[in-house]
Amino acid sequence: EPEVTQTPSHQVTQMGQEVILRCVPISNHLYFYWYRQILGQKVEFLVSFYNNEISEKSEIFDDQFSVERPDGSNFTLKIRSTKLEDSAMYFCATQPGFTDTQYFGPGTRLTVL
Amino acid sequence: AQSVTQLDSHVSVSEGTPVLLRCNYSSSYSPSLFWYVQHPNKGLQLLLKYTSAATLVKGINGFEAEFKKSETSFHLTKPSAHMSDAAEYFCLTTSGTYKYIFGTGTRLKVLA
Repeated sequence: EPEVTQTPSHQVTQMGQEVILRCVPISNHLYFYWYRQILGQKVEFLVSFYNNEISEKSEIFDDQFSVERPDGSNFTLKIRSTKLEDSAMYFCATQPGFTDTQYFGPGTRLTVL
Repeated sequence: AQSVTQLDSHVSVSEGTPVLLRCNYSSSYSPSLFWYVQHPNKGLQLLLKYTSAATLVKGINGFEAEFKKSETSFHLTKPSAHMSDAAEYFCLTTSGTYKYIFGTGTRLKVLA
């Protein structure tokens, strides 16, 4: 069964550094999402992406964040200058066009020191 | 605004006994509701979803959930817990767009 994959599984970075989290969606899925879960808190929506543009973003998704599909397959989340409070588990999810069911990757644990 | 509330952060059951994980929703219209499970180091896996076709929804691994409009509930049940059911369970709904709104999660512990 096709799966969403994410790399790396764990990323440790210094505050102020840029990080790129990568997701490989299920083939032929049309909608892409990033969510995050800070330890001990709810999973929160960050951004949705469709037809090569952001369709919705949350208040969390400020100018430090960006998303893109650079090669038509990978879906990336970039944080330009990481802060301590960006430490969290980041989940990618993808969705085919005919259903509202999302398929999640295993997550990337980001630790900002 | 749409939201879900998971009433228990932790639930412990003995193996072979029933499981009940509670979820209440708040929605101004007929919602889409989901239960996902997350095992350690794994992605969230869809257990079942409600989309108004039937109030009793059967999912994978013997789980089911009943949509009760009068109680605004969508509780997850399983007749007999198995050790492999130990995981974190999330109740979700969608907003007017497709984004998911998560509950806080319920960690299920299954005792031998």
